[in-house]
Amino acid sequence: NAGVTQTPKFQVLKTGQSMTLQCAQDMNHEYMSWYRQDPGMGLRLIHYSVGAGITDQGEVPNGYNVSRSTTEDFPLRLLSAAPSQTSVYFCASKVGRTGELFFGEGSRLTVL
Amino acid sequence: GENVEQHPSTLSVQEGDSAVIKCTYSDSASNYFPWYKQELGKRPQLIIDIRSNVGEKKDQRIAVTLNKTAKHFSLHITETQPEDSAVYFCAASAPMDTGRRALTFGSGTRLQVQP
Repeated sequence: NAGVTQTPKFQVLKTGQSMTLQCAQDMNHEYMSWYRQDPGMGLRLIHYSVGAGITDQGEVPNGYNVSRSTTEDFPLRLLSAAPSQTSVYFCASKVGRTGELFFGEGSRLTVL
Repeated sequence: GENVEQHPSTLSVQEGDSAVIKCTYSDSASNYFPWYKQELGKRPQLIIDIRSNVGEKKDQRIAVTLNKTAKHFSLHITETQPEDSAVYFCAASAPMDTGRRALTFGSGTRLQVQP
């Protein structure tokens, strides 16, 4: 099992550009989520999904879109990047309501 | 929504000493409290968790305690070693507006174990 795979690992964007962070898991987990990590602010939930076709907003959803067409994939889209979206993004998945959350390696995004 | 506060933000201890990190949560409906360790440049990984029907859980040098009445939980690391140096995050699982649960994390504690 590869676990949770995120791409790209690093990305630099200009303000206003769009991009998609990819996330895939091969553990057949129902639950997938995206967090952003900023210094001193911990991990903040952007969007999450409890299964294919179902997505919900987390604490900081503005500026981000998600979709869940398959169990395996949960891409995060930035429609018009802003410098405030400079951060490290983590995708994570788990099975069921509670239990261990498995994180990807993270994607470092810089918006100039 | 759920709010998780974590203290201290940094903690420096001598090797062999104990370390304690404390978290409080706001939503009495939270029922699952994990702790994650993140080494520099790495992904967060689960080290221990506790459910709301349990008051304490131990795993070798690590223990977690939960006080549901006061809505706080703590991580205790005994006999600290240099490899314990990392950022530690607490979290709480609470229902969101939809009723579905999600993990809310604290802001993290940077633990430095001095050899």
